[in-house]
Amino acid sequence: GEEVAQTPKHLVRGEGQKAKLYCAPIKGHSYVFWYQQVLKNEFKFLISFQNENVFDETGMPKERFSAKCLPNSPCSLEIQATKLEDSAVYFCASSRRLASGAYRDTQYFGPGTRLTVL
Amino acid sequence: AQTVTQSQPEMSVQEAETVTLSCTYDTSESDYYLFWYKQPPSRQMILVIRQEAYKQQNATENRFSVNFQKAAKSFSLKISDSQLGDAAMYFCAYRTQGGSEKLVFGKGTKLTVNP
Repeated sequence: GEEVAQTPKHLVRGEGQKAKLYCAPIKGHSYVFWYQQVLKNEFKFLISFQNENVFDETGMPKERFSAKCLPNSPCSLEIQATKLEDSAVYFCASSRRLASGAYRDTQYFGPGTRLTVL
Repeated sequence: AQTVTQSQPEMSVQEAETVTLSCTYDTSESDYYLFWYKQPPSRQMILVIRQEAYKQQNATENRFSVNFQKAAKSFSLKISDSQLGDAAMYFCAYRTQGGSEKLVFGKGTKLTVNP
């Protein structure tokens, strides 16, 4: 598709429950990024993928967060045992490698998934 | 690590007037990209404009232009002929070249446009 798609739009979980978010990048884009925007509007980088390979996971709280990008499937971000502080909007962005092969193009964002943990 | 600072939490402008949003950043790299994203109440992140650090010419997109001062590490956004639809949060972002090329965001500036 021509846009990054994210599902669901909203997700409500009780503390301790699992949450799974999905992202379909723009067709032809091989790079996927996940960001967390907390209610104070601050963005935090979580993880990036090149196709199905993890590229940078330095922002991931590894104890409870995991992510995958498998061939022919939407990418996913899973939070085991959610906590109140996980309440945020989770954005997925995708980009493509420029024709020159040098660097990746601009990141285009999906509409986000709002996770509310009660 | 790179940091991005937006020193104006809120700004307001009259319709049809011009407003400038400030952004400074800290980096030891010489090659990078800078972006301004707009986030309306819908929360959708919309790319407004981007600047490649190796280009001296300031980027422009219709009513939006930047003043990029590489030595001063400053990247301000000017919105001319402001419209009601310009009201939104504006985020300045830095992107490294190479590595993960993750975006580093400022904390945002809330722009109000008064009729």
